[in-house]
Amino acid sequence: QLQLRESGPRLVKPSETLSLTCNVSGGSVSSNYYWGWIRQPPGKGLEWIGSIYYSGSTYYNPSLKSRVTISVDTSENLFSLKMKSATAADTALYYCARMGAEYTRYTWFASWGQGTLVTVSS
Amino acid sequence: EIVLTQSPGTLSLSPGERATLSCRASQSVRSTYLAWYQQRPGQAPRLLIHDVSSRATGTPDRFSGSGSGTDFTLTISRLEPEDFAEYYCQQYGDSPLTFGQGTKLESK
Repeated sequence: QLQLRESGPRLVKPSETLSLTCNVSGGSVSSNYYWGWIRQPPGKGLEWIGSIYYSGSTYYNPSLKSRVTISVDTSENLFSLKMKSATAADTALYYCARMGAEYTRYTWFASWGQGTLVTVSS
Repeated sequence: EIVLTQSPGTLSLSPGERATLSCRASQSVRSTYLAWYQQRPGQAPRLLIHDVSSRATGTPDRFSGSGSGTDFTLTISRLEPEDFAEYYCQQYGDSPLTFGQGTKLESK
């Protein structure tokens, strides 16, 4: 059974880089699916951050594109998120997910990690 | 960017009743590229329905989806206690992928 687990620092200082990793088990990040990051500020709705294919092909939400980098490590079976110049507005639950249909980035989010709360504060 | 507006914001019903949740798009959603998720408190979202009306594995058949263009509906035929949660729609026909702001289904 596919499992995703987010990990990384829970507290980030303003202006620093937020870094998270999604470890994938029970499946391969090299499969024919895109993998994505979504966030949810406390008490608010969901926002797609970006997605990546095992080949390294990425696409991002334009609202975050200038600050975000998503990468994949097929040897470690994980993918990662880096968001630079963090502010309090980036405080959120961050989820990683496997997308639903093969070969396409235009698809739903089929399997989700449990999420990790990242707080941006000095 | 396609903005999805869900209504009502909060829906108060009793177990056994029928729930109808709406998701309206600011422009037509390409093909059938709309999904619904359920999120219980303290949990990650869970996929219920994709491609407007296809139930995900494990989704009970009391959940159904319908709609096209700009208007979509999630219907729960008879509410069970575990159905009281937050529900989100998501379109994946255009980038950026976007979600609605959610409908909270609460027990009356």
